[in-house]
Amino acid sequence: KAGVTQTPRYLIKTRGQQVTLSCSPISGHRSVSWYQQTPGQGLQFLFEYFSETQRNKGNFPGRFSGRQFSNSRSEMNVSTLELGDSALYLCASSMAGTGINGELFFGEGSRLTVL
Amino acid sequence: GNSVTQMEGPVTLSEEAFLTINCTYTATGYPSLFWYVQYPGEGLQLLLKATKADDKGSNKGFEATYRKETTSFHLEKGSVQVSDSAVYFCALSDQGGSEKLVFGKGTKLTVNP
Repeated sequence: KAGVTQTPRYLIKTRGQQVTLSCSPISGHRSVSWYQQTPGQGLQFLFEYFSETQRNKGNFPGRFSGRQFSNSRSEMNVSTLELGDSALYLCASSMAGTGINGELFFGEGSRLTVL
Repeated sequence: GNSVTQMEGPVTLSEEAFLTINCTYTATGYPSLFWYVQYPGEGLQLLLKATKADDKGSNKGFEATYRKETTSFHLEKGSVQVSDSAVYFCALSDQGGSEKLVFGKGTKLTVNP
């Protein structure tokens, strides 16, 4: 069974640009979550999608957005990039979507560098 | 809001040493508790979990017990190996009906031969 796939793995952008990151969950998983990982703040929740609906959102500015498609694939977008957006962006998928199991399957992440 | 506090490390041990990584939490209700591990260059993977008070999660020689009275979920292993070198994250489920997890800052473990 293929794992969670994130693309691109690495990217470099300049301030003011926008970026789109993609996540393909494990087949059959309907919930996709996104996290930002930085050395200073650790892992911070961005948002979660379940059956194409945003079910939960973290405390990030509106420049961060996402969506989920009917095949459960998800994208997140960051507009007007700032230096502080440099981070590893992790996508995680899960099957049940109930929050009880808690077993998230993570991708290897997309490492964004903003210059 | 809910939060997780874990010892930040880094922690450096010799092979076969005993490991403890402390984790305490603040939460309303009764969250599930987790330990995730991140090996170099990889994403996080679930190591173990406990869903109610006094539950003990265990996997690959690691153990952690859900202690409601002390709001703790300390990770232990009796004899670490070089292959255990990784970053360990304690986490809790933030609310029912959502997959949101709240993570601690992570503890980097290095095991020397």
